[in-house]
Amino acid sequence: GENVEQHPSTLSVQEGDSAVIKCTYSDSASNYFPWYKQELGKGPQLIIDIRSNVGEKKDQRIAVTLNKTAKHFSLHITETQPEDSAVYFCAVLSYSSASKIIFGSGTRLSIRP
Amino acid sequence: EPEVTQTPSHQVTQMGQEVILRCVPISNHLYFYWYRQILGQKVEFLVSFYNNEISEKSEIFDDQFSVERPDGSNFTLKIRSTKLEDSAMYFCASSDRGSSGNTIYFGEGSWLTVV
Repeated sequence: GENVEQHPSTLSVQEGDSAVIKCTYSDSASNYFPWYKQELGKGPQLIIDIRSNVGEKKDQRIAVTLNKTAKHFSLHITETQPEDSAVYFCAVLSYSSASKIIFGSGTRLSIRP
Repeated sequence: EPEVTQTPSHQVTQMGQEVILRCVPISNHLYFYWYRQILGQKVEFLVSFYNNEISEKSEIFDDQFSVERPDGSNFTLKIRSTKLEDSAMYFCASSDRGSSGNTIYFGEGSWLTVV
């Protein structure tokens, strides 16, 4: 089955700096890669996603890149703000198991003022 | 914006008791899911449901678990005889493969504490 690895597990950056979170996956048939933000006591909230037919997608301060050959994708947050502090999960939807997404282990992002 | 709603937000139950967690998926969605998250850990897939039947389930989803769509709006997760290790946050999710592709939207979760 699909295996999703996420790094780092914790990340602390100065406000205004950039943050990068990386994930790798094992199933080459995977074709959909969402990123979720989870604040304390709340459910995962979709912040950006990318499909396998594109290499990069950007939405304001958030961008995601995908390298299908290497089977990894990354979340980039620029000009970080205190409200960016949360746990971020990458996830993968596999074409071969199209009815579920598999989550990475999460990255706790802290923004230092 | 449409959202997935879950009840209760928090439930405390004694070990061995039955628990039903309820969810109202987004109205035009066709695929429904339950995930769980043990405190401090990642979100784990339990089960997916489409066309009134289970599409896929994980090894966590054993005979103690069941899902049901009793009417046109609710989607429930039942744990028949709860164990201490069932304590977790349970998330319901839904998706519409049509207009929004594979985007899966999550509810705010039901925190289950088994004592």
